[in-house]
Amino acid sequence: DIVMTQTPLSSPVTLGQPASISCRSSQSLVHSDGNTYLSWLQQRPGQPPRLLIYKISNRFSGVPDRFSGSGAGTDFTLKISRVEAEDVGVYYCTQATQFPYTFGQGTKLEIK
Amino acid sequence: QVQLVESGGGVVQPGGSLRLSCAASGFTFSSYGMHWVRQAPGKGLEWVAFIRYDGSNKYYADSVKGRFTISRDNSKNTLYLQMNSLRAEDTAVYYCAKGRTGGLDVYWGQGTLVTVSS
Repeated sequence: DIVMTQTPLSSPVTLGQPASISCRSSQSLVHSDGNTYLSWLQQRPGQPPRLLIYKISNRFSGVPDRFSGSGAGTDFTLKISRVEAEDVGVYYCTQATQFPYTFGQGTKLEIK
Repeated sequence: QVQLVESGGGVVQPGGSLRLSCAASGFTFSSYGMHWVRQAPGKGLEWVAFIRYDGSNKYYADSVKGRFTISRDNSKNTLYLQMNSLRAEDTAVYYCAKGRTGGLDVYWGQGTLVTVSS
């Protein structure tokens, strides 16, 4: 199985400042079809998870453009350009390149 | 609009069985693969199972293989998860999620809580 490792596990951030979360996979996430199926999800307290980004860097409809994804191969990053209060929650990376799908441990974003 | 509504959760004894359902609406259910994802209390997300749009292929997490069975009834727009030989570590909120090419879609249910306890 592909192991997804996120850092940091906790990220205290000042409102209006940027935040960055890293995700590393134990093997390349490049699929045989040439795509890299790495997504990011946000889970606000008491809510179901919400998909933010798919295929490394594509935002789902309605996701603010302050969220951006980047990376390739085994190393990926989610960046929030200016953190807002509504961004508090836990962020997960996940791979869908091969079954079983796997998630990172989650990174808790909190306001300083 | 797309809606996914899980049901069937509850309290069950270790070794017992439970069947979860996920009623789908607002999209052509029979055209999409579907997933179950779970989250133990205070823990992270764990993918559980996937079924292709026509039920032809199914995939499972190692932790549930041989105990859980995913199925669907496209005539009823409903996804199922039959859970047998339940263990305490299966205690979690179970979410159904719509699939998309290359992963999970944005549409998830609100989840149903399964508690395995004597």
